[in-house]
Amino acid sequence: NAGVMQNPRHLVRRRGQEARLRCSPMKGHSHVYWYRQLPEEGLKFMVYLQKENIIDESGMPKERFSAEFPKEGPSILRIQQVVRGDSAAYFCASSPGQGGSGANVLTFGAGSRLTVL
Amino acid sequence: GNSVTQMEGPVTLSEEAFLTINCTYTATGYPSLFWYVQYPGEGLQLLLKATKADDKGSNKGFEATYRKETTSFHLEKGSVQVSDSAVYFCALDNYGQNFVFGPGTRLSVLP
Repeated sequence: NAGVMQNPRHLVRRRGQEARLRCSPMKGHSHVYWYRQLPEEGLKFMVYLQKENIIDESGMPKERFSAEFPKEGPSILRIQQVVRGDSAAYFCASSPGQGGSGANVLTFGAGSRLTVL
Repeated sequence: GNSVTQMEGPVTLSEEAFLTINCTYTATGYPSLFWYVQYPGEGLQLLLKATKADDKGSNKGFEATYRKETTSFHLEKGSVQVSDSAVYFCALDNYGQNFVFGPGTRLSVLP
């Protein structure tokens, strides 16, 4: 029973390159969230997606960042033309969504740590 | 809008001391409340949750009670261990809206 799978776990890019981070949600989960965490800081919400839809992207920078969650395959967080300030841990979480009783619990992946040289 | 406030860290305690980490929230309606824990180099793990007023969530010796009258969800543990050293995040989910996390409180437990 695999949990939320993120890859790569570690990614090194030079300034100006592109970074692609992947997230496969837990089986049966149709909601995906992306968060960014800078060293020694809390979580910053970036984007909330359901299959083929962006529900809330209020935390996404307007430029260079994009996210998708296609009908088939993992969710992708894409950062174009990376800069040093993009160096952070990027966490994906998934949930089954609000259906039926009980809390909508988020399950987190282990994170992808991006280093921009 | 929805928001979560946690006590400032870091919190440093000796082993077997009593722990309280305060959490208060602002939300309309009846959100679900959570505590997540993040160990060094790892992702967040659900520690406990409560879905309605006066519910008590508990796990691994940690407890938190959903207090609607004070809009609080304080985390407590009677006797902390070195292995409890981590960052603790309070969070809420307000049905159909986005999850909101507090800034996190770093706990260090000394032997």
